[in-house]
Amino acid sequence: AQKITQTQPGMFVQEKEAVTLDCTYDTSDPSYGLFWYKQPSSGEMIFLIYQGSYDQQNATEGRYSLNFQKARKSANLVISASQLGDSAMYFCAMREILSGSARQLTFGSGTQLTVLP
Amino acid sequence: KAGVTQTPRYLIKTRGQQVTLSCSPISGHRSVSWYQQTPGQGLQFLFEYFSETQRNKGNFPGRFSGRQFSNSRSEMNVSTLELGDSALYLCASQPTGRWETQYFGPGTRLLVL
Repeated sequence: AQKITQTQPGMFVQEKEAVTLDCTYDTSDPSYGLFWYKQPSSGEMIFLIYQGSYDQQNATEGRYSLNFQKARKSANLVISASQLGDSAMYFCAMREILSGSARQLTFGSGTQLTVLP
Repeated sequence: KAGVTQTPRYLIKTRGQQVTLSCSPISGHRSVSWYQQTPGQGLQFLFEYFSETQRNKGNFPGRFSGRQFSNSRSEMNVSTLELGDSALYLCASQPTGRWETQYFGPGTRLLVL
């Protein structure tokens, strides 16, 4: 079964508007972390934001915020005030923690975001 | 602090050859993970090394191997290359005990002809 699901292969947003990228996950472990990465055409994976499963508040990093709904197992990324430089592929990922040891990152299939001028 | 570096950045090989990719983690990071990214399979975990020991391994054939040196630099090797090994190979490092942070290098693009 897919552990990370990103249902939007492509998204368009107008410059300066906000956009939400969807991510749902599947795990039976109580302890895990959720990540969002940005991958421009150059290929490098750029870390954006992290949310721990026990964190009470939604994570925020500048224009990025993570809408964490634990009961629904969703971890959507919200980008406010989109910029042309935000055009890239965005990946949601999860890392499960077992017996105090972190496992590898499991990635979704990604969402290609295009910001329109 | 310098980021994760990977060499070479681009590589062209032919079927049957072998290849070695190198990754230097961020200074002080002892954990290095490798991922393969292809259009068809997406991002898949290859293996993780910590203090010169393989700590975790993904579901890849034995042709894929790796190692880590005492200075935390890591290499991965692919023997008997197949066309399907064409991919972007990404290396990531993390500080000890800080599993909520994993920083990636720019990747090595391998093309197998």
